[in-house]
Amino acid sequence: SQQGEEDPQALSIQEGENATMNCSYKTSINNLQWYRQNSGRGLVHLILIRSNEREKHSGRLRVTLDTSKKSSSLLITASRAADTASYFCATPRGAGNMLTFGGGTRLMVKP
Amino acid sequence: NAGVTQTPKFQVLKTGQSMTLQCAQDMNHNSMYWYRQDPGMGLRLIYYSASEGTTDKGEVPNGYNVSRLNKREFSLRLESAAPSQTSVYFCASNIPGGVETQYFGPGTRLLVL
Repeated sequence: SQQGEEDPQALSIQEGENATMNCSYKTSINNLQWYRQNSGRGLVHLILIRSNEREKHSGRLRVTLDTSKKSSSLLITASRAADTASYFCATPRGAGNMLTFGGGTRLMVKP
Repeated sequence: NAGVTQTPKFQVLKTGQSMTLQCAQDMNHNSMYWYRQDPGMGLRLIYYSASEGTTDKGEVPNGYNVSRLNKREFSLRLESAAPSQTSVYFCASNIPGGVETQYFGPGTRLLVL
């Protein structure tokens, strides 16, 4: 079963609007990561937030983590058509360096 | 640096045929992974190799075998392909310990008829 579940599954917005995606997970974690996947390509790491952090910024990205609710959100501000992609959250799995990925949010930004 | 490379990019097989998907990384990473991604879904871990000389099963290992040839290369083999193995396969690697950020290859699209 998937550790992380993204919501919504799909999101369509106009260029310039903000996009918010949510991720819920089931077990305690020490960090949570967000990845982007452009159509037909591999995943690219966007940002990692540790369990002792509540919010983190990277450019137009803002990630929050609420460990009490076992949830995270990814906010993309002032979206661009180039932000059109699928976004996945990932959480550590097991004792090694493995990750468990959610099902993803497909974001479409219309010009 | 090429990062993580995968070959082939696309392959069509008939049911029962075998093939090997190749993956190589030039980042001196110890850990490597094979995932499959089915349409509209996230990634599921097939096998991983925490370090050279070791391999372990992931969530969906049935029908697959792997070989960690050396530190750079990690191959995935389908001995007898089935239509259920039609998917996009991604290889990834990372540095062990601490941060689990993974670096992904471009993927191999496999169609089994």
